[in-house]
Amino acid sequence: DQQVKQNSPSLSVQEGRISILNCDYTNSMFDYFLWYKKYPAEGPTFLISISSIKDKNEDGRFTVFLNKSAKHLSLHIVPSQPGDSAVYFCAASAWTGNQFYFGTGTSLTVIP
Amino acid sequence: DVKVTQSSRYLVKRTGEKVFLECVQDMDHENMFWYRQDPGLGLRLIYFSYDVKMKEKGDIPEGYSVSREKKERFSLILESASTNQTSMYLCASRPGGANTEAFFGQGTRLTVV
Repeated sequence: DQQVKQNSPSLSVQEGRISILNCDYTNSMFDYFLWYKKYPAEGPTFLISISSIKDKNEDGRFTVFLNKSAKHLSLHIVPSQPGDSAVYFCAASAWTGNQFYFGTGTSLTVIP
Repeated sequence: DVKVTQSSRYLVKRTGEKVFLECVQDMDHENMFWYRQDPGLGLRLIYFSYDVKMKEKGDIPEGYSVSREKKERFSLILESASTNQTSMYLCASRPGGANTEAFFGQGTRLTVV
């Protein structure tokens, strides 16, 4: 059973606009959440993370929001750039374990 | 910079062959992982290891085994390759402790014919 879900397989956004990628989870033991970016034929690279004691974390153009009561997190990219076009995976882990649980990914296309 | 290196970028193997995928990390991380990535399925965990000679099954261990004889090296073994094991294989390592990210290798695209 998928514990981390990304319900939008793809998203297209105009350059300069905001991209919003969403992620839902089911396990209330998850307390650390991450976003990874992946280009074709490369390994995922870490983008940004948030722990459950926060509801927002920013790093430059990237902001992650966490809504624990809804078990939902989102990644905002502002402004979007063509180089942001990639597959984005959200992931979650629990303090009780070592592994990450990944969503199925959202393919973002930023149109110049 | 953390480096996770997978031995091959591309591999083509025949059905029934025994296949070894090697992964080395240079940051003394306790935890190492093997995932496979398939379209529409995301990253699925095959096996992970939290210490030398220790291993735990992930979500899809069938048809795979692993070996971790040294802390820096984690090997994935396909005992008898089958066409449904054609996939992108990703190795990752992660330090021990809470709230740490995992670092991935560049991936191995395995094709079984």
